[in-house]
Amino acid sequence: QQQVKQSPQSLIVQKGGISIINCAYENTAFDYFPWYQQFPGKGPALLIAIRPDVSEKKEGRFTISFNKSAKQFSLHIMDSQPGDSATYFCAAKKTGSARQLTFGSGTQLTVLP
Amino acid sequence: DSGVTQTPKHLITATGQRVTLRCSPRSGDLSVYWYQQSLDQGLQFLIQYYNGEERAKGNILERFSAQQFPDLHSELNLSSLELGDSALYFCASSSGTLSSYNEQFFGPGTRLTVL
Repeated sequence: QQQVKQSPQSLIVQKGGISIINCAYENTAFDYFPWYQQFPGKGPALLIAIRPDVSEKKEGRFTISFNKSAKQFSLHIMDSQPGDSATYFCAAKKTGSARQLTFGSGTQLTVLP
Repeated sequence: DSGVTQTPKHLITATGQRVTLRCSPRSGDLSVYWYQQSLDQGLQFLIQYYNGEERAKGNILERFSAQQFPDLHSELNLSSLELGDSALYFCASSSGTLSSYNEQFFGPGTRLTVL
């Protein structure tokens, strides 16, 4: 199974609030879990990534929490800002010689001023 | 700017036609990936090339084909186009060898509209 399930589909938060996006995967062979941010008219850009040997990774206001036993990982955006309004994709990398990404369905985040 | 360029930015064509999308990877990147982004299917991996050779295939239709040239640019050919092929097509590139994982840098995409 290659699916990565992402929720919610859309999210509206107030400026300064916490945005939380969740993903779940099925394939235990996945060994790398990046989050991508996409602004309208642009390609996705890597935001932050985690490997399953750690349970949390923080970069500035962005934190990934990883639960290997539950096969779930989430993105937390602290002190959300209007400039964070974008579509966020979780992804997972398949092991093996090819390094293509399997993406979640995306979450459209709107941060209200 | 990711350093990955894609042309054209927009493409409008009719059903049954054939189009070619072009991608220039970041300088030095050997791997090129093609993805399709549609509203109902999200971002889906199509195909990967590494230094001119096909390395992996995803959900790519038989009507679609790709190649990577000696100068490392890549082209995605879409033929016998159908309405459902309307989507954003992204190219991404990464450096490093196949045994390591390197970040994929995405281009700005080509928006294909099939009428």
